[in-house]
Amino acid sequence: SQTIHQWPATLVQPVGSPLSLECTVEGTSNPNLYWYRQAAGRGLQLLFYSVGIGQISSEVPQNLSASRPQDRQFILSSKKLLLSDSGFYLCAWSPTSGGGELFFGEGSRLTVL
Amino acid sequence: GENVEQHPSTLSVQEGDSAVIKCTYSDSASNYFPWYKQELGKRPQLIIDIRSNVGEKKDQRIAVTLNKTAKHFSLHITETQPEDSAVYFCARGSNSGYALNFGKGTSLLVTP
Repeated sequence: SQTIHQWPATLVQPVGSPLSLECTVEGTSNPNLYWYRQAAGRGLQLLFYSVGIGQISSEVPQNLSASRPQDRQFILSSKKLLLSDSGFYLCAWSPTSGGGELFFGEGSRLTVL
Repeated sequence: GENVEQHPSTLSVQEGDSAVIKCTYSDSASNYFPWYKQELGKRPQLIIDIRSNVGEKKDQRIAVTLNKTAKHFSLHITETQPEDSAVYFCARGSNSGYALNFGKGTSLLVTP
């Protein structure tokens, strides 16, 4: 069966520090991968998605970036965090064909102070 | 555009009553409409979905209806229980064909 892992689960970072969140999927090949952000009391905002290694589509202009160095690995990064980057970050995957269910990781709660 | 409007933002019902959450969209190209449930501090999980060739789908106490002409779809929960308390998100398939565009969520509280 397929599983998705993301880490760290929780982190507290100062403004201006770098960020790296990592997500891996097991049990499937060539998944579509996604990063969503959920701010307090708000919905799920799509940040990035990837349909293959090295292919990244950005949905929202911001100081975040994403990379997919391996088929089942998706990384969310920032060089300098802002207060507004605080939130609950969710990695997700879907089968190659797309157009259906997304399966979410357990999330990473980021607090920027 | 690709936005999904979801109402209400909060909903409180008594145990045993029904709960209805409604979402509207504007892009007629959408053909996939899932509903996710997110318990406090946990990941969203799919509870039911519907595709555009179907008007209604039911799974025990949960049902979803879709009106493509009016561009709205609704989640119906009957005989609500305290464990139904959570945030519910509607979504639609995005124009990219891959991601989902989510509504802002409805916080449902079922009181005993």
